[in-house]
This record gives sequence, C-alpha cells and structure tokens, in this order.
Amino acid sequence: DSGVTQTPKHLITATGQRVTLRCSPRSGDLSVYWYQQSLDQGLQFLIQYYNGEERAKGNILERFSAQQFPDLHSELNLSSLELGDSALYFCASSVASHSSAGRTGELFFGEGSRLTVL
Amino acid sequence: AQSVAQPEDQVNVAEGNPLTVKCTYSVSGNPYLFWYVQYPNRGLQFLLKYITGDNLVKGSYGFEAEFNKSQTSFHLKKPSALVSDSALYFCAVRDLNQAGTALIFGKGTTLSVSS
Repeated sequence: DSGVTQTPKHLITATGQRVTLRCSPRSGDLSVYWYQQSLDQGLQFLIQYYNGEERAKGNILERFSAQQFPDLHSELNLSSLELGDSALYFCASSVASHSSAGRTGELFFGEGSRLTVL
Repeated sequence: AQSVAQPEDQVNVAEGNPLTVKCTYSVSGNPYLFWYVQYPNRGLQFLLKYITGDNLVKGSYGFEAEFNKSQTSFHLKKPSALVSDSALYFCAVRDLNQAGTALIFGKGTTLSVSS
C-alpha cells in the first residue's frame, strides 16, 4: 500500500459528459501529480501541484483541469469526454518540490481510476 | 528534452535465469533515473533509483540496476528470475527542465518469466 488513495476505482460514462477523479496523497506529501496511462500513449504526465499551486504542466488537454485543496487532496476534472479519453488515470505524490529531496525523491502512485467513455 | 527509451516491448526469460530489462536515457545535466514495476490492474511500485555515487544500485525484490554514463544506459537486472516477476516495467527520468519534479516514463517493457 503506497498510502495514496484514489477514487473512484472504476467509472463508466458517455461522450460529452464530465467526471471528477479524486486523490488523497500520502501523509506529509505536498506534491501531487496526475498521469494518464493508455495503450497507445503509454504513461503521460498531465500536471503537478505543490502545496495548492500548479507547479508543472505536461500533456494536459484544455478540456482537463485540476486543483489541489488546502487539505492537499487533489481533483482532476475531465470534461466534454471523448472515446479517446478512456484510460487509467493515476495520481502520485512526493514529499517536496524543487528542493533536493524533491529532485531526488521517488513518486508514490495510487491504484488508479479506470475511466471508460462509451 | 529529458527522455528515456525502452527498446524492447517484451522480454521473455525462463525461471532461474538472469534477466535484463534495457533502458537508455537522454538528459541535459546529471540524470536522476528510476525503475518502477506495474502488476496487472495495480499502480506503479518503486523499485530503485540512481541519483549519484555507485553505478550499481540495489533495490526491492532482488532487483538491481547498472548506471553507465558512457552508454547512457540504466539497465534493470536480476540474477535469478521468478515467475512472480512477470509484470510491466517502466524506466523513468526526472524532468529537470520544468519548475516541477515530474518523472518522464518510457513506454514500458513487459517481462514474462516462464516456469
């Protein structure tokens, strides 16, 4: 058990809909990362938050957004869903951001949220 | 840009034999390299990392990795494979080009260990 909790584990929805994925980081971790895993694109970094603020952006679509709340949990919002958004979405956390510990430390991953868009 | 490449989609090995999963990297500056394993329908689990120092890094479950700067490689190894090692393995490098600390992952290598 990594200590990172993601809900829901599975989600089935229709095209055009909007969903929210939730992540609780490990106790004490200030950074949260979102990744998308699909068969054709592999594991893609979407976005990172550190202590409530956006820190880095990866290949995140404009239809997607995220935020990190004062209690450090994070939500990933996916809107105007398309068939191609079907994927496994992972949240990860780590202790810090751009300090030495942040640069050298590993990420701890949750079990993922599997999104199916029909 | 920072990147890693895993040249093999799949590696097959017999139980008890040594295994190697290959990874090469391309970075500007010193590389911070990681290996993760993913079992079916599970999240990624951290195996080991190279930050600095000894080129041979030991990690979880008997795995080790050899950092080779001249060949820009960071291959994952295990002296004697187990059937339970069958999984998807990812090599990753820390993205130091951005303000953040995300990891950039390779496409993954499926390891299949036969009994």
